[in-house]
Amino acid sequence: GAGVSQSPSNKVTEKGKDVELRCDPISGHTALYWYRQSLGQGLEFLIYFQGNSAPDKSGLPSDRFSAERTGGSVSTLTIQRTQQEDSAVYLCASSLGLAGGDEQFFGPGTRLTVL
Amino acid sequence: GQNIDQPTEMTATEGAIVQINCTYQTSGFNGLFWYQQHAGEAPTFLSYNVLDGLEEKGRFSSFLSRSKGYSYLLLKELQMKDSASYLCAVSPGTYKYIFGTGTRLKVLA
Repeated sequence: GAGVSQSPSNKVTEKGKDVELRCDPISGHTALYWYRQSLGQGLEFLIYFQGNSAPDKSGLPSDRFSAERTGGSVSTLTIQRTQQEDSAVYLCASSLGLAGGDEQFFGPGTRLTVL
Repeated sequence: GQNIDQPTEMTATEGAIVQINCTYQTSGFNGLFWYQQHAGEAPTFLSYNVLDGLEEKGRFSSFLSRSKGYSYLLLKELQMKDSASYLCAVSPGTYKYIFGTGTRLKVLA
């Protein structure tokens, strides 16, 4: 079956513009995560969705970042008024939403470059 | 605070054994994961430990000591394709994950 897909794979934008990143999780996965990975760094948690519960937004770095998940499937991460420090690879992962041992399946990521 | 420590970089020879250590301090513990990430690619799941002891899966094994806040990933019979970053991740609670910065492993011929 299809894995997690993300689009676009690369995005170059100018400082101050808004960008929207898309994630299509594996069908049947109830949990969806967004992470940010800067060059040579680990994964920084951004936001998490589980079923119909309110999302855990505790990792969002500022109010310029928002995300939604429509119909419990596709998710979009929106960054408003982009800044150069937003440049990173944005990874989406989905999982079955198990309480323990919940393996995450990652998408290929979107490489965002803010000029 | 919550913290995960791993060595930044390791080098080993093809056919050898390498051990990648991970120490953690978190507010809770719901399991520890190891992921492999090749350059420019997404992380892929390697192992999960929630109880103390060794979990073996082919050439890869992962060990956990909860009392010491310590884990290691053991790679045997190293192959060139094992050159990658290895990420240690701790779940401090249900649906929460903290990732370390990763250990970049170089396998030399």
